[in-house]
Amino acid sequence: DAGVTQSPTHLIKTRGQHVTLRCSPISGHKSVSWYQQVLGQGPQFIFQYYEKEERGRGNFPDRFSARQFPNYSSELNVNALLLGDSALYLCASSWMPGLAGVEQYFGPGTRLTVT
Amino acid sequence: QQQVKQSPQSLIVQKGGISIINCAYENTAFDYFPWYQQFPGKGPALLIAIRPDVSEKKEGRFTISFNKSAKQFSLHIMDSQPGDSATYFCAASNTDKLIFGTGTRLQVFP
Repeated sequence: DAGVTQSPTHLIKTRGQHVTLRCSPISGHKSVSWYQQVLGQGPQFIFQYYEKEERGRGNFPDRFSARQFPNYSSELNVNALLLGDSALYLCASSWMPGLAGVEQYFGPGTRLTVT
Repeated sequence: QQQVKQSPQSLIVQKGGISIINCAYENTAFDYFPWYQQFPGKGPALLIAIRPDVSEKKEGRFTISFNKSAKQFSLHIMDSQPGDSATYFCAASNTDKLIFGTGTRLQVFP
């Protein structure tokens, strides 16, 4: 079975532009979470979606938004990009949200560079 | 109160030695404490996890020690191998939103 897939692998954008990152969860998983990992730091929670509904949001500005589609894939959108948005964006899927101890499987991430 | 503090930032160990990474938390509502291993260019992968009702969990060469009263937990890697060279993150949660530590870069030399 394929793991969590993310696209694109790498992306270079200019300040002020918009970006869309995509994630496909493991087959059978209905929950997708997004994390931002700045170089040298641990991942930080951005969003969680389950059954197309937002179930959690981290401390990120409104420039960040996401959605989940009927096939459980997800998009993360970032508007008005800032240099500080440069990071590895990770998608994680799980079969059930809201339960500690349910393993989250991470994708390889999308490396976003903002110049 | 949502922070998880991790140390050391980097660790160099000789092959066959023991690698020890420590984490501390403040939020007593946390009830799940996983450790993740991350290789360059890859996403984090779950290594081992523990709940606060046990003080130790061992899986192969990897052991988590948990001290609930001190609000600390640690990862011990026995017989460290060059293939263990990676960045290790502790995390904590009481839902499935993971709060990660800052990471420890482990280098194991032959």
